[in-house]
Order: sequence, then C-alpha cells, then structure tokens
Amino acid sequence: QVQLVESGGGVVQPGRSLRLSCAASGFTFSTYAMHWVRQAPGEGLEWVAIIWNDGSDKYYTDSVKGRFTISRDNSKNTLFLQMNSLRAEDTAVYYCAGGGAIFGVAPYYYYYGMDVWGQGTTVTVSS
Amino acid sequence: DIQMTQSPSSLSASVGDRVTITCRASQSISSYLNWYQQKPGRAPKLLIYAASTLQSGVPSSFSGSGSGTDFTLTISSLQPEDFATYYCQQTYSIPPWTFGQGTKVEIK
Repeated sequence: QVQLVESGGGVVQPGRSLRLSCAASGFTFSTYAMHWVRQAPGEGLEWVAIIWNDGSDKYYTDSVKGRFTISRDNSKNTLFLQMNSLRAEDTAVYYCAGGGAIFGVAPYYYYYGMDVWGQGTTVTVSS
Repeated sequence: DIQMTQSPSSLSASVGDRVTITCRASQSISSYLNWYQQKPGRAPKLLIYAASTLQSGVPSSFSGSGSGTDFTLTISSLQPEDFATYYCQQTYSIPPWTFGQGTKVEIK
C-alpha cells in the first residue's frame, strides 16, 4: 500500500544538527513532488520545504532558510531533511508528504495538494 | 508570501448540523486551494483540492467552493467522525505554500 515512513527524530541540543529520512513505498516516488510539514506542540500545520520530483528545484519557509536542506534519492525512494543550527522553536512533529507533479512555470506554479502523508517523527530541541 | 486566514478558529456543532468554514487568501490564488482534515495524534488527510474537487474516498457530505481570495468548506450533515481540525492550504505561485491556522470542530 501507499506509505511514507519517517525516521531520525529525537532530542537534540540547540545549535546541533539532525537528519530526518522518509522512506516511500507503494507509489512511483520519482513522479511526486515531496514536502516536509511540521506541527509544533498544540499548534497548527506549518509548511517547511518542497523538492521537485526530479530534485531540480527546492523552496523553504523563511524561518528555516540557510539552516535546513531538503534532498531526495529517487533510486532509494527516500526523502531527507538535514536540519542544522537547531533552535527551540524547531521543536515539532515533522511529517513528510507528497503529491503529484507541479504544474506551470515560475512564478505561476500550481499544485493539487498532498495526498500521501507519513505518520510523523518528533524533534525536540532542548538543552 | 501569501497569508491564509481561516474563520472561525473553532466551532461547536451537533451531529447532523451543516457546518461552513471560511478561508481567505491575502492575494488571488485562482482555485489552488486545498482542504485537509486532521484528527488528534494523526497525520492530516487531503479532503479537497483545487477548491472544489473531492479527493477519492472522501464522503460527498464534504464540499468546497470559491476562487480568487475567498473559499469555503462545507460539511452538509456533520457525522461523529467529522469532529476534527480542518486546515486550508494555498498551492499557487512560488512557495511557501502556506496553511491557514486551522478550525477545530467540536461536539456541542
């Protein structure tokens, strides 16, 4: 069945690094744009980053630019999020999510939402 | 960046009620608006994409409408399993593709 399984979460001190992974199965991973979405305790959803299906383009929310890097290995059906210089405000459940292709050309991209989600992995940044 | 504002932030309703949630974008996003349902401790689930297209397997009691900057999610007859938090998300133009702050639907 269609599945995304995140791993790599844990407790980390401020300023340290963590790498999240997301293993995909049951669908053609290489045709899906992939995202990371996070949810701080008791808060709403925050979109974090996207990578095009072929890895050709990436975007980030402002609060993680320069600190987080999204990447993927289509040969291994795996998505990654390298998180450096972690802060207390990065504490959240991190979900990987995917949808189909991105349409249009910059700046008029459009997209039909994320229909595949993982169960989430918890990242806690604390001293 | 495009900001998304949902209203109300929460509501109380009874089984069988008709419920409407509103989402407003800070600039036009054409029809590239998605709705998600999230239950406690669970991942979000895509309900509607492109403002009004029902995702496969989603009950027809859910419907979406709108274009430009103003959108609505309607549940025609609230069922016990519909008590959850609902989020809109715009997926137009250059990312970030932002979510609304969420609407929690609670049992009256």
